Amino acid sequence: QLPLQESGPGLLKPSETLSLTCTVSGGSIYTKTYYWGWIRQPPGKGLEWIGSIYYSGTSYYNPSLNSRITISLDMSKSQFSLKLSSVTAADTAVYYCARGFGYCSGSICTYNPPDFDYWGQGTLVSVSS
Amino acid sequence: QSALTQPPSASGSPGQSVTISCTGTSSDVGNYKYVSWYQQHPGKAPKLMIYEVTKRPSGVPDRFSGSKSGNRASLTVSGLQADDEADYYCCAYAGSNNVVFGGGTKLTVL
Repeated sequence: QLPLQESGPGLLKPSETLSLTCTVSGGSIYTKTYYWGWIRQPPGKGLEWIGSIYYSGTSYYNPSLNSRITISLDMSKSQFSLKLSSVTAADTAVYYCARGFGYCSGSICTYNPPDFDYWGQGTLVSVSS
Repeated sequence: QSALTQPPSASGSPGQSVTISCTGTSSDVGNYKYVSWYQQHPGKAPKLMIYEVTKRPSGVPDRFSGSKSGNRASLTVSGLQADDEADYYCCAYAGSNNVVFGGGTKLTVL
C-alpha cells in the first residue's frame, strides 16, 4: 500500500489562502509513470477534481478554480502541495490527495487523467469567519 | 465544464445485478476511452473500481464491470453483496487536460 498523507490547517477565515501538503511514502513520486492530484468533497456532496501535476512539473487545473489554484511538486521532500487563494465558505470540503497512473514506453508516457489508484485519507478544511 | 449525470440512487437485493448510468457529452464520455468509476464508503476515501471504461485494477472483483455506449457509461455490479452498499462516482476526461466527476449514486443493498 502506498501511503499518502494530507496535512495543513483545518480552519480558515474567508479571503485567506488554503495551503495543503501531501506527503508520499514509498518513493513513487520519483517515477514518471505517475502523476499527482487533488480532489475535494464538500460535506454531503460529490467529488470535484481540483487539479493534477505531472513528473515534469506541468500542472493542470479545474477551469472553475483555475485563477485561484497553484499545485507544486517537491520531489526532494516526496511532497506535492495545493494552494487555493481567496477562500470562501464554498471551499469548505474534505480535501484528498491522490496518485494517478499512466504508461511509459521509453521516454514517451501516456497518462490516464481520471484514474487515481491511491488516495490519502482526506483532511477537512472549514472556512468560517 | 458540467458534472456528469448520474441517478441519485439505485438499489438491488443480494445476489441481484444493478447498473448505474453516467451520462456525459460528446466532449467527454463520448470522445475518450478515459472513464473511471469510484466506490466510496461513508467516511472513507474513494476507491478506484474501473478505469479506461472496462478495466479493473488488481484486487477488484470481476462482479464489477464497466461499459460505454455513445455519451453514456455504465457500471454493473453483479451478485450484489452487503459490502457493495456505497456511493459510486463516475469520472471522465473532458479534454484540454480537464477531468469531470459525476454527481454520485447511492447504491443500497436491500
